[in-house]
Amino acid sequence: KAGVTQTPRYLIKTRGQQVTLSCSPISGHRSVSWYQQTPGQGLQFLFEYFSETQRNKGNFPGRFSGRQFSNSRSEMNVSTLELGDSALYLCASSSRDSRSGNTIYFGEGSWLTVV
Amino acid sequence: AQSVTQPDIHITVSEGASLELRCNYSYGATPYLFWYVQSPGQGLQLLLKYFSGDTLVQGIKGFEAEFKRSQSSFNLRKPSVHWSDAAEYFCAVGARSNSGYALNFGKGTSLLVTP
Repeated sequence: KAGVTQTPRYLIKTRGQQVTLSCSPISGHRSVSWYQQTPGQGLQFLFEYFSETQRNKGNFPGRFSGRQFSNSRSEMNVSTLELGDSALYLCASSSRDSRSGNTIYFGEGSWLTVV
Repeated sequence: AQSVTQPDIHITVSEGASLELRCNYSYGATPYLFWYVQSPGQGLQLLLKYFSGDTLVQGIKGFEAEFKRSQSSFNLRKPSVHWSDAAEYFCAVGARSNSGYALNFGKGTSLLVTP
């Protein structure tokens, strides 16, 4: 079974631009969540989507948004990029079923550098 | 609010020596607890998890962890460390919020293995 797939793996953007990151969850998983990892703040939860609806949101500004499609694939978007948005963005999926649904599996991440 | 503390930022052990990484959590109910490992430039790999039942859980790569409710701890152990275990280790607690679910991570412990 394929794992969580994220694209692109690496990208460089300029301040003020916007970026869209894509994530394909493990087959059969309906929950997709996003995390930001930086050296200073560590791993921080951005948001979770389940059945195309945002279910949970972390403490990030409105510049950070996401969506989920009917096939459970998800995208996150960051608008008006700032230097501090440089980070590793990790996508994760879970089945959300009653047995193993609380286990979250991560992708390899998308490295974003803002210059 | 839920929180996770990993008291040790860096740990150095000799190859073949035993390892214990500490994790303390703060959570009102019975927590979902996880240990993840991250190699440089990679995503997070799940080592093991605890939901309920036997408080000693076995994971991949020879790791185990013990849940101690009285101490609010979930320490990770390995009897004999290999050079390939050098990586960043993260303890996390899963928490439900409204209709969503997210992981709260500790700051991580960086493991260095010496010959």
